[in-house]
Amino acid sequence: GQQVMQIPQYQHVQEGEDFTTYCNSSTTLSNIQWYKQRPGGHPVFLIQLVKSGEVKKQKRLTFQFGEAKKNSSLHITATQTTDVGTYFCAGGWSGNTPLVFGKGTRLSVIA
Amino acid sequence: DGGITQSPKYLFRKEGQNVTLSCEQNLNHDAMYWYRQDPGQGLRLIYYSQIVNDFQKGDIAEGYSVSREKKESFPLTVTSAQKNPTAFYLCASRRQGANYGYTFGSGTRLTVV
Repeated sequence: GQQVMQIPQYQHVQEGEDFTTYCNSSTTLSNIQWYKQRPGGHPVFLIQLVKSGEVKKQKRLTFQFGEAKKNSSLHITATQTTDVGTYFCAGGWSGNTPLVFGKGTRLSVIA
Repeated sequence: DGGITQSPKYLFRKEGQNVTLSCEQNLNHDAMYWYRQDPGQGLRLIYYSQIVNDFQKGDIAEGYSVSREKKESFPLTVTSAQKNPTAFYLCASRRQGANYGYTFGSGTRLTVV
């Protein structure tokens, strides 16, 4: 079946440092979504990207969708302790087919 | 407030027993999903349903069963055939159409004792 690869698996940063997680699909995606799961919680939808080369920002978070629609990234500027959690990307291919989730990147922020 | 409710939050099962996890939503979403989460494995799709009285297997359906008799409800049964059922189970729903995100429930943590 379809797969979405996500790296790194873990990232430890000092508070104030930047953080980036990357997702890659071997086939062209229709869209990609990003979710955040706090420790002990459930995934929460952050954003969806649909267009080739799309860039969206939410405060300190910047989301990019590659030109070929095969890769995506989430960049957090100047991390804070509230950013702690696991970030998942989820790829969609067509219509209403279920999303395929990456394995997630677990972010730890050291104060 | 609209949302998706999973119960129970924690569940302990003896080996050889079937258990049913509840998932109810009042968001009027057509599509519902069950995912299993294990440490380092991300979210793996068990079953999904896009309409009442219809559902499809996901990537890891063996040892699980579902029903979708009502739009609001999508219960998951973990049968004794599931060899390693200890995991965190997440139910999600979504409005029909590819441009919407999933809404997740708070999950059920199942432990086999």
